[in-house]
Amino acid sequence: QVQLVQSGAEVKKPGASVKVSCKASGYTFSDYYMHWVRQAPGQGLEWMGRINPVSGGTNYVQKFQGRVTMTRDTSISTAFMELSSLRSDDTAVYYCSRENLEFDTFDIWGQGTMVTVSS
Amino acid sequence: DIQLTQSPSFLSASVGERVTITCRASQGISSYLAWYQQKPGKAPKLLIYAASTLQRGVPSRFSGSGSGTEFTLTISSLQPEDFATYHCQQLNSYPRTFGGGTKVEIK
Repeated sequence: QVQLVQSGAEVKKPGASVKVSCKASGYTFSDYYMHWVRQAPGQGLEWMGRINPVSGGTNYVQKFQGRVTMTRDTSISTAFMELSSLRSDDTAVYYCSRENLEFDTFDIWGQGTMVTVSS
Repeated sequence: DIQLTQSPSFLSASVGERVTITCRASQGISSYLAWYQQKPGKAPKLLIYAASTLQRGVPSRFSGSGSGTEFTLTISSLQPEDFATYHCQQLNSYPRTFGGGTKVEIK
């Protein structure tokens, strides 16, 4: 079936970087943009950016410009999100999600990856 | 950036009640609005897209309406499995912003 499977939980120290992976299966990876959304504990959803899997082109929300890098490896149908210079307020669950361009919606979501930033 | 304001942020309702959640956009977004349901510890689940189109497999007690700047999600008869947090999202432009969420709890 169509699914996105993310890498496991991470614990990082302030100032470090984290790289989260999102492996797609059950569909053609290059047919759908991949987005990253995060959710801090008890908070709402925050869109971070997206990657075009064909061109590798990205759009990032201004808040994360310079700290976030989204990449993909089409040979293994996997998207990656790397966040650097981590702070305690980056502690959150990070989700990947596929954008269905035909219906303009995020129709498939990964299970989420908890990233904890703590000294 | 387009801001989405959901109201209420919290509501308490009984099984069988009709529930309505509102999402207001800071500028017109046509019908580029989606609604998601999220349960604790789980990823969001798509309920409605294009403001009023029910995602396949979602019960018909869920419905969406609106266009432009004002949208509503209605649950016609609340069921025990509907107690969750609901999020709206605009897909008219980047960044793809979300509303603040509405938590629906059992009365």
